[in-house]
Amino acid sequence: NAGVTQTPKFRILKIGQSMTLQCAQDMNHNYMYWYRQDPGMGLKLIYYSVGAGITDKGEVPNGYNVSRSTTEDFPLRLELAAPSQTSVYFCASSGKSEYGTDTQYFGPGTRLTVL
Amino acid sequence: AQTVTQSQPEMSVQEAETVTLSCTYDTSESNYYLFWYKQPPSRQMILVIRQEAYKQQNATENRFSVNFQKAAKSFSLKISDSQLGDTAMYFCAFMKRNTGNQFYFGTGTSLTVIP
Repeated sequence: NAGVTQTPKFRILKIGQSMTLQCAQDMNHNYMYWYRQDPGMGLKLIYYSVGAGITDKGEVPNGYNVSRSTTEDFPLRLELAAPSQTSVYFCASSGKSEYGTDTQYFGPGTRLTVL
Repeated sequence: AQTVTQSQPEMSVQEAETVTLSCTYDTSESNYYLFWYKQPPSRQMILVIRQEAYKQQNATENRFSVNFQKAAKSFSLKISDSQLGDTAMYFCAFMKRNTGNQFYFGTGTSLTVIP
């Protein structure tokens, strides 16, 4: 049981380039989330999904897109990278667990730098 | 929108001593959950403790306990017998029960345990 996995761990992009951050979970969780964490700050929600085929915006969705074609995967797409998107990105999932259905479990993060 | 405030950016404690981290939140919701997450230098987000708002009894997990004051909208974390491995950023988080179970995070408290 790997939990929540994210790839890549690190990435440097040039302004205007595109990329997809991958996230997968093997806990059969319905809910999945993408956050960004800027230096010295807490996590802010970008997008979330309550199940395959269903996604919705969080606090800071501009510049990002998501899709959820399977329960396991929830990729985050950056179309035109900007320096303001330099951040650490965390994927999380929640579902039935010993703590109930509300606790979120996090991946290890992806550190993205846009130059 | 919900807001979570952690007013102590940095704290330190001697090994084996007790420390309390503060958190306040603002909401008009009645059905919600509160969490403390720990983020060590590895950046992995690790659940420390959770509290359901409808429960009056304060949650405890080994050396970690909370003081939940619902009327005051306060949710502090007490760490007893501090250990070097407790050195980390600690984030308070609020989750309201709705379709997406969205989390709102504070800006964190950096805790250093001094040997």
